[in-house]
Amino acid sequence: QSVLTQPPSVSAAPGQKVTISCSGSSSNIGNNYVSWYQQFPGTAPKLLIYENNKRPSGIPDRFSGSKSGTSATLGITGLQTGDEADYYCGTWDSSLSARVFGGGTKLTVL
Amino acid sequence: EVKLVESGGGLVQPGGSLRVSCAASGFTFSSYSMNWVRQAPGKGLEWVSYISSRSSTIYYADSVKGRFTISRDSAKNSLFLQMNSLRAEDTAVYYCARDSSYSSDGSFDYWGQGTLVTVSS
Repeated sequence: QSVLTQPPSVSAAPGQKVTISCSGSSSNIGNNYVSWYQQFPGTAPKLLIYENNKRPSGIPDRFSGSKSGTSATLGITGLQTGDEADYYCGTWDSSLSARVFGGGTKLTVL
Repeated sequence: EVKLVESGGGLVQPGGSLRVSCAASGFTFSSYSMNWVRQAPGKGLEWVSYISSRSSTIYYADSVKGRFTISRDSAKNSLFLQMNSLRAEDTAVYYCARDSSYSSDGSFDYWGQGTLVTVSS
């Protein structure tokens, strides 16, 4: 059972937009920054978003992040088949003194 | 180019010990905090441990506290995870991950390719 809650799967058609939610509490998302990661099967995760809504260099602006209260959202526009991957949110949990991840969301581009 | 290369994984019996290592290159290792993150087969990411740049601050996930020890050797640009009293549920790919250079927000900007630890009799 993950501290952060994500939907197990989402899907959308190529070219469309999809959002992935990440729900937490005041001890984690509510008072700390959220980051997002993309992971393809058999490979290491890759940082997509840091500080809730900032993109590292090289990450296209099709990827965006937002946070409101104790929830965060990853948005992906102009979906491509190459975006099919698992996506994870992460943050610091002040009560646990631990970094925590969501359970992950598998994105299918139909 | 930043590179993180894990090694030391393998098959170990329940109750046994193993030490995994992460060799860092392409950046000033002594300036960065580092982490271990694991992923059980077919499961999600689980953060395991954190060590600050000078080893002054260390954190562990509750699931490994008292059994795992994180350490680093900046002279050798290496990160370690000593794992004792291993259990079947510790079976996972273990990744080392660098704290982000973009922010102190706790994100991880570089990851190694991982090393597989299998705990089984």
